[in-house]
Amino acid sequence: DSGVTQTPKHLITATGQRVTLRCSPRSGDLSVYWYQQSLDQGLQFLIQYYNGEERAKGNILERFSAQQFPDLHSELNLSSLELGDSALYFCASSTRDRGADTQYFGPGTRLTVL
Amino acid sequence: QQPVQSPQAVILREGEDAVINCSSSKALYSVHWYRQKHGEAPVFLMILLKGGEQKGHEKISASFNEKKQQSSLYLTASQLSYSGTYFCGTRTGNQFYFGTGTSLTVIP
Repeated sequence: DSGVTQTPKHLITATGQRVTLRCSPRSGDLSVYWYQQSLDQGLQFLIQYYNGEERAKGNILERFSAQQFPDLHSELNLSSLELGDSALYFCASSTRDRGADTQYFGPGTRLTVL
Repeated sequence: QQPVQSPQAVILREGEDAVINCSSSKALYSVHWYRQKHGEAPVFLMILLKGGEQKGHEKISASFNEKKQQSSLYLTASQLSYSGTYFCGTRTGNQFYFGTGTSLTVIP
């Protein structure tokens, strides 16, 4: 158990819908990272927040957005869902900002878009 | 740019050694190594920073050559529990990239 929690574990929805994935980092960690893992694309970095502020942005679509709240939990919002958005979404947390320390991964949310 | 890992897949017998390579086309600040078992989250193995650092974790060690923009993971005397997909993760500027993955299967 990494100490990072993600809800829900599974999500099944239809194309065009909007969903919110939630992540609670390990106690004391200020950085949260979001990743998407699909069969054909591997593990892709989406976005990083540190202490409530966006720090780095990867291959995140405009239909996706994220935020980190004052209590440090983070949410990833996916809208106008397409079949290709079906994937495992992981969040990870770390203590510092610069990515030079360990990232602890949550168990993931499996999103299925029908 | 996604780092390229080699080999893509490897099958070992228990007790054999393996090397997994990670190569980037961009300058690297740090390299992380993770192992992921099917359907589970990646689990951190180790991190290497610039400076040619080499680290070890039980029978797993790694090296990082920032001039060549490469890192290698060494698994010695492999155990059944080593099976999984290994990813290198790199930071280039403000971006994080994971490698293409290496599937490692250890058989009795």
